Amino acid sequence: DQQVKQNSPSLSVQEGRISILNCDYTNSMFDYFLWYKKYPAEGPTFLISISSIKDKNEDGRFTVFLNKSAKHLSLHIVPSQPGDSAVYFCAASSNAGGTSYGKLTFGQGTILTVHP
Amino acid sequence: DVKVTQSSRYLVKRTGEKVFLECVQDMDHENMFWYRQDPGLGLRLIYFSYDVKMKEKGDIPEGYSVSREKKERFSLILESASTNQTSMYLCASSFLASSGFYFGPGTRLTVT
Repeated sequence: DQQVKQNSPSLSVQEGRISILNCDYTNSMFDYFLWYKKYPAEGPTFLISISSIKDKNEDGRFTVFLNKSAKHLSLHIVPSQPGDSAVYFCAASSNAGGTSYGKLTFGQGTILTVHP
Repeated sequence: DVKVTQSSRYLVKRTGEKVFLECVQDMDHENMFWYRQDPGLGLRLIYFSYDVKMKEKGDIPEGYSVSREKKERFSLILESASTNQTSMYLCASSFLASSGFYFGPGTRLTVT
């Protein structure tokens, strides 16, 4: 049972344009969401996060939007740069009852390619 | 600068061998995790530990075991390596997800 889904395996974008990566989740107990970026042969690095009490969080070129009713979040990168080419993972966590142990559930990942 | 380190970046083992992957964190985190990454499947949780000598199965624990004798160290053990365990193995540590969840550089394990 895939609780976090990224339905687009890949996305190709021209430099300077907007990249939109999507993520859906099924577990209504998730209350914290994160995006990670991963280059080949490296560990994932944290990009941006959002709590379920917000619907938007912005950090420079990166903005995450959360639609709780649709159980959907998206990551917008504007403007996209060739260095953004990587695999992007959506992740979710539940702190309900204090038993989550900080565990993250990840999506399958989306390979973003930004062409010069 | 927070740090999670893994004992090997690349490892090649033969089928049937016992394999140890080690992970060390310097952030005094209670929680430590082992994930594996496979194309199209994302990161899947194998085991995690929320305290010394405590462990919990993740989503795909079969064929693996873990050991946490000290707070900063979490080991993943493949009792008898098989070819379907060829993967990228990622260790992570956290207190709460909202306070930071940090990955090591990963170990690319190939079982032949």
